[in-house]
Amino acid sequence: VVMTQSPLSLPVTPGQPASITCTSSQSLGNDYGGTYLNWFQQRPGQSPRRLIYKVSNRDSGVPDRFSGSGSGTNFTLKISRVEAEDVGVYYCMEGTHSWTFGQGTKVEIK
Amino acid sequence: EVQLLESGGGLVQPGGSRRLSCAGSGFSFIDFAMNWVRQAPGKGLEWVSTISRTGGNTYYAESVKGRFTISRDNSMKTLYLQMNSLRAEDTAVYYCANLELGPGVDIWGQGTPVIVSS
Repeated sequence: VVMTQSPLSLPVTPGQPASITCTSSQSLGNDYGGTYLNWFQQRPGQSPRRLIYKVSNRDSGVPDRFSGSGSGTNFTLKISRVEAEDVGVYYCMEGTHSWTFGQGTKVEIK
Repeated sequence: EVQLLESGGGLVQPGGSRRLSCAGSGFSFIDFAMNWVRQAPGKGLEWVSTISRTGGNTYYAESVKGRFTISRDNSMKTLYLQMNSLRAEDTAVYYCANLELGPGVDIWGQGTPVIVSS
């Protein structure tokens, strides 16, 4: 499975929305109705941190300005209003077929 | 505190070997399949290997198959990665993580750097 993210670089003005797409080469829905698509945030100098699991479920402590959506092969991470602390690289990862990460999207403040 | 702590990284010559360890604490280690993920300098995340909860099933990325071996000791709450025949392209920070796919806690270590160079 190949996971393709776009854009790879995303300059954003604070307070403005941001959107990252992730496309998989195969459908991520399994025979049991689950779709295993996670989103991770990696701030500079830190380990990755999971934000979203199973497409749209926010992890505990993740601000509600982060949301995930999608199905099949197309998925999106949205940040409703970007803040300075959101700077970093965001990765999607599929867990339905194997464990495959997207290339990463670097979010930076304009 | 839920924690994973890697160790064993360092400088190794091409063709050499290295064993990484990852000690878990603050959670039930045996309840989770465990993984190694690496990140080359300035690059993205790459899944390396997974081991099931009991250790009976293991999976490897094509790039390391036949050279790396994942194992675990649940009594010691420790995950291992034996790396043989190391190449320059194996240079990376190696993270252990449970890569939880559902609502359970997702845990990452701080990473340990491996540099393959003469």
